[in-house]
Amino acid sequence: DVKVTQSSRYLVKRTGEKVFLECVQDMDHENMFWYRQDPGLGLRLIYFSYDVKMKEKGDIPEGYSVSREKKERFSLILESASTNQTSMYLCASTLQGAADQPQHFGDGTRLSIL
Amino acid sequence: ILNVEQSPQSLHVQEGDSTNFTCSFPSSNFYALHWYRWETAKSPEALFVMTLNGDEKKKGRISATLNTKEGYSYLYIKGSQPEDSATYLCAPNQAGTALIFGKGTTLSVSS
Repeated sequence: DVKVTQSSRYLVKRTGEKVFLECVQDMDHENMFWYRQDPGLGLRLIYFSYDVKMKEKGDIPEGYSVSREKKERFSLILESASTNQTSMYLCASTLQGAADQPQHFGDGTRLSIL
Repeated sequence: ILNVEQSPQSLHVQEGDSTNFTCSFPSSNFYALHWYRWETAKSPEALFVMTLNGDEKKKGRISATLNTKEGYSYLYIKGSQPEDSATYLCAPNQAGTALIFGKGTTLSVSS
């Protein structure tokens, strides 16, 4: 069965810290995505990647960066965490060139920045 | 950025009621329309992916229709059950682009 695993379910960090959120998928998917979900705003795309070492900005990339060194792993990095980055973060993956195939999501990381 | 509208934002129904939600999106350059169900404390789960105008898909008591010419999709739930309580997200995409999610419709079903 398809599996997308996010490293932490809950995370608490302090303002100014560098924060890493990890996502691993076991489906050999080329495409991986990072979203954040905030009340009243829905799921918003932060970054996505079509292949190893490739990345594309989504709708809200400011304050974030990503790393895709291996096909199965996609990391989201908060360079200097701020309180407005407190949110639920979701990782997803899908096959390349498969816009008609569903995305598979992880369980999410609820991140609090104090 | 695609403008995706879902309505209603939320609704509360009694067990056994049938209900439907709407997803509106720009019809230009349409490629696919996704529906997901997101239950509390779980990950979003794909319900349907539709690509053809007039397409209709069904999964148990849940069905969806698609009109790509006018840019809308309906999701129907027949005989709602408490376990149907969730947020339902639609997400269209144009060819070669990432999904753009609507804000969702949150359904609450009382027994």
